[in-house]
Amino acid sequence: DAKTTQPNSMESNEEEPVHLPCNHSTISGTDYIHWYRQLPSQGPEYVIHGLTSNVNNRMASLAIAEDRKSSTLILHRATLRDAAVYYCIRDFGNEKLTFGTGTRLTIIP
Amino acid sequence: KAGVTQTPRYLIKTRGQQVTLSCSPISGHRSVSWYQQTPGQGLQFLFEYFSETQRNKGNFPGRFSGRQFSNSRSEMNVSTLELGDSALYLCASSLGGVRNTIYFGEGSWLTVV
Repeated sequence: DAKTTQPNSMESNEEEPVHLPCNHSTISGTDYIHWYRQLPSQGPEYVIHGLTSNVNNRMASLAIAEDRKSSTLILHRATLRDAAVYYCIRDFGNEKLTFGTGTRLTIIP
Repeated sequence: KAGVTQTPRYLIKTRGQQVTLSCSPISGHRSVSWYQQTPGQGLQFLFEYFSETQRNKGNFPGRFSGRQFSNSRSEMNVSTLELGDSALYLCASSLGGVRNTIYFGEGSWLTVV
């Protein structure tokens, strides 16, 4: 199955770190993990991606389990602007992204 | 650098009509993909074009078609519109190589009445 498993929704307090989990137990050795987020009434926005080791960029960090069957997107200090649906996606390298239902993140002021 | 641009942003069509949506990719990007987003089915891949050739295709009926021009701009067409075609249609572009990041436009909201 190409899809990943994520919780339907999560809540976090503003200015607190957020850990968004993703399960991809059937991942193969060459599949990358991508994270996108979609704010209301906008197209999906690229967040981060990785293969085996942990990755950091200005938006977030991605922690990938050693067996690669799961990963966690980390927002270090959530703001109200981070409220969105977050999608964890397996990238097969064929320019086709298979989106699941994602995690709706609510930030509490 | 301009992002992916889609036109029109909003449109209303009648059942049975056809519609053409346009997408201008990020400058230098040669791959353009199209996605449909509905509340019931979520985000679904329609097709992908690279250098004017369709490389990938999703599971949509033949009423959905697309093309890409030599300047990488792309259009998608839906013929004989049905109520169920009401959706947000998203265009995305990338450099087209393996593992390149894919960037999305704001989408075109289509309502079929």
